[in-house]
Amino acid sequence: DQQVKQNSPSLSVQEGRISILNCDYTNSMFDYFLWYKKYPAEGPTFLISISSIKDKNEDGRFTVFLNKSAKHLSLHIVPSQPGDSAVYFCAAVSGTYKYIFGTGTRLKVLA
Amino acid sequence: NAGVTQTPKFRILKIGQSMTLQCTQDMNHNYMYWYRQDPGMGLKLIYYSVGAGITDKGEVPNGYNVSRSTTEDFPLRLELAAPSQTSVYFCASRNQGGGNTIYFGEGSWLTVV
Repeated sequence: DQQVKQNSPSLSVQEGRISILNCDYTNSMFDYFLWYKKYPAEGPTFLISISSIKDKNEDGRFTVFLNKSAKHLSLHIVPSQPGDSAVYFCAAVSGTYKYIFGTGTRLKVLA
Repeated sequence: NAGVTQTPKFRILKIGQSMTLQCTQDMNHNYMYWYRQDPGMGLKLIYYSVGAGITDKGEVPNGYNVSRSTTEDFPLRLELAAPSQTSVYFCASRNQGGGNTIYFGEGSWLTVV
């Protein structure tokens, strides 16, 4: 049972445009959500997070939106840059240790 | 800033062999984790530890063992390696009082043939 789903395995966006990466979850007990970025042959690196008591968190070009009623979160990258090309994982947290990761979306930003 | 360090980065094992993936962190984090990532899949939790001397199973613990004798180190032992254990392994850590962000090592690529 996939509790955290990223239904788009890949996404291509022109440089300068907005990238929108989506994530759906099924467990209403999740209380914290994170986005990680992963380059080939490297470990995932933390990008941005949001608590379930908020609906938006912004950090520079990156904004995460949380819609609890729809059990959906999204990551917006504006403007997209070629260096943003990577695999993006969303993760949901329940309790102290339970981090559930999605399968990832490969973003390609075209110059 | 070393962060979370994993060794080895690459390893080829024969079926039935054993090995230990090493993980050490220099951030004095209480929590440590081992994940595996198979192609096209998310990260699956193998084992985790909330402090020295305390470990517990995650989602996919079969075929693995861990120990946590110090705060810094969290080795993952593979006994009797099987082709199904071919994967990329990531160690991670976080601070108990430092929010929910976990920090990953660079990964260990393991192939069992």
